[in-house]
Amino acid sequence: GAVVSQHPSWVICKSGTSVKIECRSLDFQATTMFWYRQFPKQSLMLMATSNEGSKATYEQGVEKDKFLINHASLTLSTLTVTSAHPEDSSFYICSARGGGEIGNQPQHFGDGTRLSIL
Amino acid sequence: AQTVTQSQPEMSVQEAETVTLSCTYDTSESNYYLFWYKQPPSRQMILVIRQEAYKQQNATENRFSVNFQKAAKSFSLKISDSQLGDTAMYFCAFMRSTSGTYKYIFGTGTRLKVLA
Repeated sequence: GAVVSQHPSWVICKSGTSVKIECRSLDFQATTMFWYRQFPKQSLMLMATSNEGSKATYEQGVEKDKFLINHASLTLSTLTVTSAHPEDSSFYICSARGGGEIGNQPQHFGDGTRLSIL
Repeated sequence: AQTVTQSQPEMSVQEAETVTLSCTYDTSESNYYLFWYKQPPSRQMILVIRQEAYKQQNATENRFSVNFQKAAKSFSLKISDSQLGDTAMYFCAFMRSTSGTYKYIFGTGTRLKVLA
């Protein structure tokens, strides 16, 4: 149980285009979803947190207009990298957590998306 | 501010032996949750083990166990009978509440290599 599906796993696109990454909780309702960015050989950096039906809360230093997050349902969140540039190239990971007692609800992670901007 | 420190960037262990990965954290809260995640070369984040701070008993999951020292703010991971498949990056995580939302703070990670 507690499977999170992230799509696509790898995307290459030209500079200036927008890229959408989907994150779905397959067998549970994700009241909260998280988006992380990970640089090579580094830890996960939290970009934003979203609750279903609410606006995302962005971490300090993350551009809201660059990284658009939508959490329209309890099973789907999307991250859109707008007007992507080479410096946006990175590994993006989503995670999701259901309701209930927090301690019994760890975050479950997707497999990540490798984004390469040419 | 809460911080999580993993002081061992890289470690190696012989197959079938035991290895301990260290993690320390800083917090003023009395109740919180701690986790260890494994990230193999596939880069998927896999939950290894978790510990509630109000529980004195150390968590165990098969070959994985923790040594939780609340007063010392230490949360080390012990891997017994190491297997080649344990080769991965290991992240310690502290879960904190910010404005009612619980978020992870990750350590910088320890890269573990199991040698045949």
